[in-house]
Amino acid sequence: EAGVTQSPTHLIKTRGQQVTLRCSPISGHTSVYWYQQALGLGLQFLLWYDEGEERNRGNFPPRFSGRQFPNYSSELNVNALELEDSALYLCASSSRTGLVTEAFFGQGTRLTVV
Amino acid sequence: SQQGEEDPQALSIQEGENATMNCSYKTSINNLQWYRQNSGRGLVHLILIRSNEREKHSGRLRVTLDTSKKSSSLLITASRAADTASYFCATAMDTGRRALTFGSGTRLQVQP
Repeated sequence: EAGVTQSPTHLIKTRGQQVTLRCSPISGHTSVYWYQQALGLGLQFLLWYDEGEERNRGNFPPRFSGRQFPNYSSELNVNALELEDSALYLCASSSRTGLVTEAFFGQGTRLTVV
Repeated sequence: SQQGEEDPQALSIQEGENATMNCSYKTSINNLQWYRQNSGRGLVHLILIRSNEREKHSGRLRVTLDTSKKSSSLLITASRAADTASYFCATAMDTGRRALTFGSGTRLQVQP
């Protein structure tokens, strides 16, 4: 069974540009979570999608947005990139909504903003 | 702000020794989970303990939960060099309306 896949694995963008990151959850999982991990730090919650709808959002500006498609894959969009957006972006999926059990993580997308 | 805070931030031990990491959280939870991250890659789920459980074992891992103190500990016994990684606790709130909230992590270095 394929795990959570993220693309691309690495990305270099210039300040002010826009970026789209992609995530495919484990087959059968309806919930997708996005986290940002700056170098050497913990995970900051960005967005939670389930059944195509945004369920919750972390404390990030509106230039961070996303969506979930009917096949439960998801995109994270970041507009007007800033240097501090440089981080590892992790996607996770789980099979249940509501009370959260185990989350399965992808290997992440390393975004560098120069 | 982080729901969970791990302590210590970094830990260095010799192979064969035990490693203990602690996690404190702020609000009521449904469950608490521990994850491992190798070298800035994806996280791997280690163990989940529910709010009505006090202790759980999985191989060389032992997790305790004290809901009155809002704290948990992860014990890795007989550590190996391959255990070198960052360890994070994550909490699932009992309202079920929020995603997992992660702590800041403990970086464990096991010296061969």
